[in-house]
Amino acid sequence: SQQGEEDPQALSIQEGENATMNCSYKTSINNLQWYRQNSGRGLVHLILIRSNEREKHSGRLRVTLDTSKKSSSLLITASRAADTASYFCATETSGTYKYIFGTGTRLKVLA
Amino acid sequence: EAGVVQSPRYKIIEKKQPVAFWCNPISGHNTLYWYLQNLGQGPELLIRYENEEAVDDSQLPKDRFSAERLKGVDSTLKIQPAELGDSAVYLCASSLRGTGGNTQYFGPGTRLTVL
Repeated sequence: SQQGEEDPQALSIQEGENATMNCSYKTSINNLQWYRQNSGRGLVHLILIRSNEREKHSGRLRVTLDTSKKSSSLLITASRAADTASYFCATETSGTYKYIFGTGTRLKVLA
Repeated sequence: EAGVVQSPRYKIIEKKQPVAFWCNPISGHNTLYWYLQNLGQGPELLIRYENEEAVDDSQLPKDRFSAERLKGVDSTLKIQPAELGDSAVYLCASSLRGTGGNTQYFGPGTRLTVL
């Protein structure tokens, strides 16, 4: 099935640095969500941004959405070792309740 | 409040054997999803239920996969017979439709290994 593209595929940073990951998608969307998945565990919802929104914040997370470019970015500021995980974007296709997940970015935060 | 419960957490079977996974969604959630996740990939939707109705099963390989959600609560996903390529993590998620955005809450998954 089609999936969004995320880049980078893997990212390694030092604790305290910022981490940015990007998501590109193919269809018109109702909203875009970001999820985190720790090794061997289920996905945890982080933040949702609607198609008519351009930026959203939640704690150390900042999400932007550019529907003209069909892309989104997730910024994690002042990263911590506990942020080490895989991050996935998921887009809800317009007119449906169907979500398409990206391929994920594997983030490693070094203490 | 309890999250999405899945069982078993791990399953190892030989090819051609049947296998079943069970999911109990968050209480009150009317939408239930089954996803398949291969190693290093994002989840891929297999089937979505609204209450007891399967409203999107376009990606479910119906020759060997089946699912049911009796009474619109618990759900079971079955594979019969299993093939080597079915080795993956099977994730169940639920959401409350109408809250705007359908945030999905995921269970821990069932890791299936087919030998």
